[in-house]
Amino acid sequence: QKEVEQNSGPLSVPEGAIASLNCTYSDRGSQSFFWYRQYSGKSPELIMFIYSNGDKEDGRFTAQLNKASQYVSLLIRDSQPSDSATYLCAVMDTDKLIFGTGTRLQVFP
Amino acid sequence: DTGVSQNPRHKITKRGQNVTFRCDPISEHNRLYWYRQTLGQGPEFLTYFQNEAQLEKSRLLSDRFSAERPKGSFSTLEIQRTEQGDSAMYLCASSLRGLGDSPLHFGNGTRLTVT
Repeated sequence: QKEVEQNSGPLSVPEGAIASLNCTYSDRGSQSFFWYRQYSGKSPELIMFIYSNGDKEDGRFTAQLNKASQYVSLLIRDSQPSDSATYLCAVMDTDKLIFGTGTRLQVFP
Repeated sequence: DTGVSQNPRHKITKRGQNVTFRCDPISEHNRLYWYRQTLGQGPEFLTYFQNEAQLEKSRLLSDRFSAERPKGSFSTLEIQRTEQGDSAMYLCASSLRGLGDSPLHFGNGTRLTVT
């Protein structure tokens, strides 16, 4: 079974700063990676997915994939208090997603 | 697109009772997934369907758990003889096609409390 590791946090950053969230995965053959955001008491919602090495940008969010080192990162620029949530990293395993435990992000004014 | 719908939102039951949850996926989504999430953990995969066929079941899914998706539309998840360890949020998700090119959309979940 593929595994995904995340630091549970909390990661605290001031408003306007860059938040950097990291995730490592166990299977070198993994090819598809997803970042979900989950507010307290709510269900996960997809932020981004990335398939190939390098960076993928979408608005304030950038996903970075390094297959050689087996890690995936999510950068959130100009962090806002509304970004405070748990960020889940997931790896595709055949036709299902394997999730990490999530990193709790706190953005303080 | 009305989103993935799950019922009930909350269920409190006594140990040993049976419970059934329902999930209505987004219309035309042929993939339907069940996950379980406990506090401080990420969602854990339980099972998934492509149309009416159940294609994979996790080892987490003991024989007390059964899922169905008759006619490839809504799905039910039944837990027999509930135990306190079954207390969790049960999440349903759907996707239009395989996850390689179609994202997974989650419902709001059913929170189960076993007393």
